[in-house]
Amino acid sequence: GEDVEQSLFLSVREGDSSVINCTYTDSSSTYLYWYKQEPGAGLQLLTYIFSNMDMKQDQRLTVLLNKKDKHLSLRIADTQTGDSAIYFCASQGGSYIPTFGRGTSLIVHP
Amino acid sequence: EAGVTQSPTHLIKTRGQQATLRCSPISGHTSVYWYQQALGLGLQFLLWYDEGEERNRGNFPPRFSGRQFPNYSSELNVNALELEDSALYLCASSLVLSGGRNEQFFGPGTRLTVL
Repeated sequence: GEDVEQSLFLSVREGDSSVINCTYTDSSSTYLYWYKQEPGAGLQLLTYIFSNMDMKQDQRLTVLLNKKDKHLSLRIADTQTGDSAIYFCASQGGSYIPTFGRGTSLIVHP
Repeated sequence: EAGVTQSPTHLIKTRGQQATLRCSPISGHTSVYWYQQALGLGLQFLLWYDEGEERNRGNFPPRFSGRQFPNYSSELNVNALELEDSALYLCASSLVLSGGRNEQFFGPGTRLTVL
């Protein structure tokens, strides 16, 4: 079946850039999403990218997609303590239901 | 505009009992999805309802079931509870957007604890 892999933890210093990586297996993926989950809350959609795009920028967020390698990344510029959360990558392909990764816990140190 | 709501926030049951979780989607959304988020396992897809019908289910046993009502709200039922059913249960709703993008909006979840 489809699979989405992410590293489990990332620790950065406040003000640095964070890069969260994700790989997926579904070659028919049309949309790839990044969600953020803060403690005790549901998931909030941060951004998405269509499979025919290489890059998408939205304020402090930059999404890069390497479709050949099935690799997606989320870069957060000038990371703040409020960015500490779990970040989920999800791929949507032929099944229409997004497949989620296990999430990357981002810890931002002051 | 109100977001996706879920009730109860917390639910404590004992093994063998039944649990009922509820979800109200965003107004105008006809699709409701249920996910299980167990510790360290990410989100596992449970069920998808649209227009009152079950459209798809994940790799879970039949004791996980649900339904969608005419107002598009939904209920998840878990029968014969087992200890490993302890998890955060998330509900999401969506509209099909142009190009088939399935942008899901999540509720805060119901934390189910099975003792």
